[in-house]
Amino acid sequence: SQTIHQWPATLVQPVGSPLSLECTVEGTSNPNLYWYRQAAGRGLQLLFYSVGIGQISSEVPQNLSASRPQDRQFILSSKKLLLSDSGFYLCAWSVQTYGGYTFGSGTRLTVV
Amino acid sequence: GDSVTQMEGPVTLSEEAFLTINCTYTATGYPSLFWYVQYPGEGLQLLLKATKADDKGSNKGFEATYRKETTSFHLEKGSVQVSDSAVYFCALNSGNTPLVFGKGTRLSVIA
Repeated sequence: SQTIHQWPATLVQPVGSPLSLECTVEGTSNPNLYWYRQAAGRGLQLLFYSVGIGQISSEVPQNLSASRPQDRQFILSSKKLLLSDSGFYLCAWSVQTYGGYTFGSGTRLTVV
Repeated sequence: GDSVTQMEGPVTLSEEAFLTINCTYTATGYPSLFWYVQYPGEGLQLLLKATKADDKGSNKGFEATYRKETTSFHLEKGSVQVSDSAVYFCALNSGNTPLVFGKGTRLSVIA
């Protein structure tokens, strides 16, 4: 069966520090991968998605970036965190863009 | 672009009350519609879905009917339980676009 892993579960980072959040999927090949952010009172915002290795689409310009170094690995990064980067980050995967997604358990990031 | 509007929360109900959470959408083409649920501290779980007009999605006592004429996908449950307390998200996608979510509706059910 397919599973999705996200880590870490919680993270507290100072302003200006780097960030790396990792997401991996098991039990499937060539998944579509997504990073969403959930900020208080703002719902779910799509940050990045990828339909294949090295293919990244950015939805919102900001100081975050994403990479897909392997078929089932999706990494969210930042060189310098801002206070406004605080939130709950969710990784998801799907077989196709069109259809339902399976979400990871999320990473709660607090920038202090 | 595509968008989803759902009712503002929070919604507070007594156990066994009837639940409706309204969701309307704007989309080009013929979207698929979804309801996701997020329990405290967790990721999102797919609750139900409908892929074409007049389809009814159902799961765990929850139902929603895809109404193309009113561009709506309202979530209903006849008798809520304390364990249904969560945040509910309406979502859609169409064509090759990723899922677009509403802002979520927090439901609290009290005994």
